[in-house]
Amino acid sequence: GENVEQHPSTLSVQEGDSAVIKCTYSDSASNYFPWYKQELGKRPQLIIDIRSNVGEKKDQRIAVTLNKTAKHFSLHITETQPEDSAVYFCAASLSGGYNKLIFGAGTRLAVHP
Amino acid sequence: SAVISQKPSRDICQRGTSLTIQCQVDSQVTMMFWYRQQPGQSLTLIATANQGSEATYESGFVIDKFPISRPNLTFSTLTVSNMSPEDSSIYLCSVDETDTQYFGPGTRLTVL
Repeated sequence: GENVEQHPSTLSVQEGDSAVIKCTYSDSASNYFPWYKQELGKRPQLIIDIRSNVGEKKDQRIAVTLNKTAKHFSLHITETQPEDSAVYFCAASLSGGYNKLIFGAGTRLAVHP
Repeated sequence: SAVISQKPSRDICQRGTSLTIQCQVDSQVTMMFWYRQQPGQSLTLIATANQGSEATYESGFVIDKFPISRPNLTFSTLTVSNMSPEDSSIYLCSVDETDTQYFGPGTRLTVL
């Protein structure tokens, strides 16, 4: 079955710096890759996703890149702000939301003022 | 996106008892899922709740321990049976909407 590895487990940056979180997946048939942000005590919130027919997607300060050949995808956050501090999870699945998501272990991001 | 609610939001239970968690959506959805998030950990899929048929369980999860109901397209329940302290977790339902999954607020369960 699918396995998703996520790195780093913790990331500490200064406000205004960029943050990059990387994930690799094992099942070459996976074609949907969402990223969720989870603040303490709250539900995971979808922040961006990408499908296998696209190599890069951007939404304001957040971007995701996908390399299907290498089976890895990354989350890029530019101009980080303290409110970006949270745990970020990557996931992979077949066929998008209709299918089960396999999550990475998570990255705890701390943005220091 | 769909508005998803869960009841209860949290509970403290004694070992050996059972708890039923409800998930309600404000629109009809085809796919509903139940996840477990152990303290400080990632999300693990328990099962897919299928309307009109039995749930599909992931490896390591069985129907006797986590029975699931899906009576219609807006509602599902997950029961955690014969609980032990190892069942202390957050249980989250999620729904598919426009080919994307959205999560409910979760139920924080503590088993003493």
